[in-house]
Amino acid sequence: AQSVTQLDSQVPVFEEAPVELRCNYSSSVSVYLFWYVQYPNQGLQLLLKYTSAATLVKGINGFEAEFKKSETSFHLTKPSAHMSDAAEYFCAVRSSLNTGGFKTIFGAGTRLFVKA
Amino acid sequence: DTGVSQDPRHKITKRGQNVTFRCDPISEHNRLYWYRQTLGQGPEFLTYFQNEAQLEKSRLLSDRFSAERPKGSFSTLEIQRTEQGDSAMYLCASSLETGGTMSLIFGPGTRLTVL
Repeated sequence: AQSVTQLDSQVPVFEEAPVELRCNYSSSVSVYLFWYVQYPNQGLQLLLKYTSAATLVKGINGFEAEFKKSETSFHLTKPSAHMSDAAEYFCAVRSSLNTGGFKTIFGAGTRLFVKA
Repeated sequence: DTGVSQDPRHKITKRGQNVTFRCDPISEHNRLYWYRQTLGQGPEFLTYFQNEAQLEKSRLLSDRFSAERPKGSFSTLEIQRTEQGDSAMYLCASSLETGGTMSLIFGPGTRLTVL
């Protein structure tokens, strides 16, 4: 079964400093990867997705992620953090269901703290 | 269509009571998912519908849990004889599978507190 591991439960950064949130996935022939963001008391929102096209994926709010097969990683980055980026971030992977459909499996999350 | 909606947003109940949550997906989405999220954890898959058919249930979904999606539109998740361990955020998501990319659109969730 597919899985993802988020290496940091919390990441503190100063405002305008670069952000990196780390994610490793279990190896597979074909992999679809996602990053979602969750603001307090809200549902999850898709930031970006990798679907076997370009290895560098650009998402919303200035975030991007690079798929590195040799490292089985899909780290999320942003050049300059804003206070509004403070949230919980989830790395996720598509996994096949026995019935032929798919489900999304989420990591445990990384909470990004942005300090002034 | 304004996205996925869930009702209620918050539910407080006493142990042993039954509760029912509703999810209204994006109208053209044929796939609907229920997830459960506890504090400090990522969402965990509970069950999945394609149109009105419930195609898969997680082992997390005990016999006290039941989900329906009549006519392939809205869905309900019922928990019978609630336990304190059922306290969590219940998230609904829908998607329109195109080319396998499957991006989920999540609702705001229903936060359940069992006293």
